[in-house]
Amino acid sequence: GAGVSQTPSNKVTEKGKYVELRCDPISGHTALYWYRQSLGQGPEFLIYFQGTGAADDSGLPNDRFFAVRPEGSVSTLKIQRTERGDSAVYLCASSKGTGDTGNTIYFGEGSWLTVV
Amino acid sequence: RKEVEQDPGPFNVPEGATVAFNCTYSNSASQSFFWYRQDCRKEPKLLMSVYSSGNEDGRFTAQLNRASQYISLLIRDSKLSDSATYLCVVNMGYQKVTFGTGTKLQVIP
Repeated sequence: GAGVSQTPSNKVTEKGKYVELRCDPISGHTALYWYRQSLGQGPEFLIYFQGTGAADDSGLPNDRFFAVRPEGSVSTLKIQRTERGDSAVYLCASSKGTGDTGNTIYFGEGSWLTVV
Repeated sequence: RKEVEQDPGPFNVPEGATVAFNCTYSNSASQSFFWYRQDCRKEPKLLMSVYSSGNEDGRFTAQLNRASQYISLLIRDSKLSDSATYLCVVNMGYQKVTFGTGTKLQVIP
């Protein structure tokens, strides 16, 4: 498809389980972002990739969260030992990332994670 | 102080009214600015970029004031379809992009 694709769209998991969320960015976009959004809040920055490398992971809340982008395209956000507080929508976004700071960021529809 | 701050609202306005939102940012080195619109349970979508000279797109006008470190969004002749949350977005450089909490707008018939 032409847009950012995220899977799964919905995930319910038990506390303590491991979860992987996948993001397929727009073709040709080198910059990829993960955000987390809770009800009534704006998107909270988690991590930003430029190509294969994590250029900024300062938003990851703790070491249970990890993200990879091994080939510079698809990215996976991994959450270990999930907690109820991890319940949120996880948004992936991409942009051309050519260094022009005016590049538009395009979002996927999000992965809605519920930890029970 | 938060990097990007917005009044969460809600702003309840009648159809046809003019409404304005402000957003302040803390990093004076911030390089680019945007307004995104987010409908309930949907992803954010770009509404417009914000330039130093100000820019207008139909009923929407965005302004940037670097000296005071704020951006604004003005909506004229509000429509019911304008009801949404409006997110202020600041690119702090090196592609680190920070969102405000959002301002909720409800246009009432």
